[in-house]
Amino acid sequence: EVLLVESGGGLVQPGGSLRLSCAASGFTFSHYAMYWVRQAPGKGLEWVSGISNSGGRTYYGDSVKGRCTISRDNSKNTLYLQMNSLRAEDTAVYYCAKDLPPGNWYFDLWGRGTLVTVSS
Amino acid sequence: EIVLTQSPATLSLSPGERATLSCRASQSVSNYLAWYQQKPGQAPRLLIYDASNRATGIPARFSGSGSGTDFTLTISSLEPEDFAVYYCQQRSNWVTFGGGTKVEIK
Repeated sequence: EVLLVESGGGLVQPGGSLRLSCAASGFTFSHYAMYWVRQAPGKGLEWVSGISNSGGRTYYGDSVKGRCTISRDNSKNTLYLQMNSLRAEDTAVYYCAKDLPPGNWYFDLWGRGTLVTVSS
Repeated sequence: EIVLTQSPATLSLSPGERATLSCRASQSVSNYLAWYQQKPGQAPRLLIYDASNRATGIPARFSGSGSGTDFTLTISSLEPEDFAVYYCQQRSNWVTFGGGTKVEIK
């Protein structure tokens, strides 16, 4: 079964840091670009970041540029998102998503998400 | 940034009826547009990509059309499981999503 499972969310104070993880299974992880997409409570979807299949190219949305770092470990089939200088407006469910090949920035497999709450 | 505007915000229909959802882009996205379905408490599911191609396993009652700035998702005959929120997404210039259309039971 193809599966993405996020972890690492939780409650963090403004200015704090958090590292999200996404464990992939059931497909050849190293063949696909991967992404993070978030959804604030009761709101729509917002693309956060993307990474090429090799990890050599990374991309960020304007709202997180300079504060977040996406990475991957293909030997562990795991995607990461390091989030720093967190703000209240970063509160959201964070989904990892797999690319619909070949690298066309559509998302054909999603995890169930992990909730990040930024609050004092 | 390309802004996607979805209309209507809410669509109230009965099972068996036809649903027509609109997505308008602030500038041309060619055919680089996808549609997703999201049910409460669940992750989104890809329905349509490149404006008119159904994703794997998506029933034929879902169809997409359009190019440039105007796109439509049509559900030919609503099934009970189709009541959900639908989002469009463009990949022509980075990635942005529309605000969503909720299809609710009338």
